[in-house]
Amino acid sequence: EAAVTQSPRSKVAVTGGKVTLSCHQTNNHDYMYWYRQDTGHGLRLIHYSYVADSTEKGDIPDGYKASRPSQENFSLILELASLSQTAVYFCASSPQGAGDTQYFGPGTRLLVL
Amino acid sequence: GDSVTQTEGPVTLSEGTSLTVNCSYETKQYPTLFWYVQYPGEGPQLLFKVPKANEKGSNRGFEATYNKEATSFHLQKASVQESDSAVYYCALGDRGSALGRLHFGAGTQLIVIP
Repeated sequence: EAAVTQSPRSKVAVTGGKVTLSCHQTNNHDYMYWYRQDTGHGLRLIHYSYVADSTEKGDIPDGYKASRPSQENFSLILELASLSQTAVYFCASSPQGAGDTQYFGPGTRLLVL
Repeated sequence: GDSVTQTEGPVTLSEGTSLTVNCSYETKQYPTLFWYVQYPGEGPQLLFKVPKANEKGSNRGFEATYNKEATSFHLQKASVQESDSAVYYCALGDRGSALGRLHFGAGTQLIVIP
């Protein structure tokens, strides 16, 4: 059974609309992360969290919000989606953080038109 | 700050040839070094990690040595197969940091031609 799941797996959104990407983990991990992947840029960290009800900014947080309502769930919110946010988004979880392995979900492919 | 630089792809090889993907890092702390692999349509998954300087990690015929003096962690495989076609990411995790994040390189796409 996949320990990190993401929904939806793909989505088409309109410019200016609101998009919510969801992530659920059954690993009992404290740390969760959101990355975006673009050709030529690899994985770039958007937001992360090490405890419920708290989030931290990553390297490219502008235009994104994050929510961690419980240990298991971590959402990424695009309040006003833009064309430049078309990408593949990955969620990951980790037991203890920096020196520890991150376990990734299967990704969400987002197309903003 | 912490950073990782790796071979720019794509790298195209014939089956049976050897692979080297260079990875260099910068940090002032005590990193654990990782190699991740991402197959088409999937999320990245751990290939192996090495927490200590001068030690070697390996998995599925791939290996890399944590060279603290040269600040390098090059990925090698003696004989690649078509099934090795994927994107490979080098990453650094600062064990001394409370922030709990990894720094990934840009990724190297490997294409193996049968």
